[in-house]
Amino acid sequence: GQNIDQPTEMTATEGAIVQINCTYQTSGFNGLFWYQQHAGEAPTFLSYNVLDGLEEKGRFSSFLSRSKGYSYLLLKELQMKDSASYLCAVINNAGNMLTFGGGTRLMVKP
Amino acid sequence: NAGVTQTPKFRVLKTGQSMTLLCAQDMNHEYMYWYRQDPGMGLRLIHYSVGEGTTAKGEVPDGYNVSRLKKQNFLLGLESAAPSQTSVYFCASSRQGGGTEAFFGQGTRLTVV
Repeated sequence: GQNIDQPTEMTATEGAIVQINCTYQTSGFNGLFWYQQHAGEAPTFLSYNVLDGLEEKGRFSSFLSRSKGYSYLLLKELQMKDSASYLCAVINNAGNMLTFGGGTRLMVKP
Repeated sequence: NAGVTQTPKFRVLKTGQSMTLLCAQDMNHEYMYWYRQDPGMGLRLIHYSVGEGTTAKGEVPDGYNVSRLKKQNFLLGLESAAPSQTSVYFCASSRQGGGTEAFFGQGTRLTVV
């Protein structure tokens, strides 16, 4: 099975940088996703990592270390609209089951 | 382009009643998924389908059934609703499995009383 852990809540200041960590223990691994979910809305795709290293996409970056079972999402130049839940998810070897962690609720304060 | 559409958006059921949630996607995606989301527990996979006519169980399939008679539609059925099935249900689709992005519907808020 899959076990995915991430902090429940985080608070950061507008304009700052925040790092959201995700650790996983899985019986099979074929990549890790990050999704953003605003309250009352559907999750939307942010990033996908399958190889070790950092993927940068504008203000958002995602890092993966497969040997450590660890990923993080880095958000730079925080904006109020970044207040949302951030969901870490792992896809299994067969590529047919996406398992989510509990999500990290990020609150950005002025 | 509508993407993934769920019907209905809200529903209140009495214990023991049955209902079907409809998910429709217009992106010609092969894979479709049903998740439930409960506070503090994230998204949990109920059932999924890797193509028309196929279905498979996810993490929490008990009490639910699904059908994928047409490629664009994925139906989730509750035969005898229980209060434990009170949740927000999300449907998602992806072009294929593996590292392809999943697109989510807007969710169905179901309350069982």
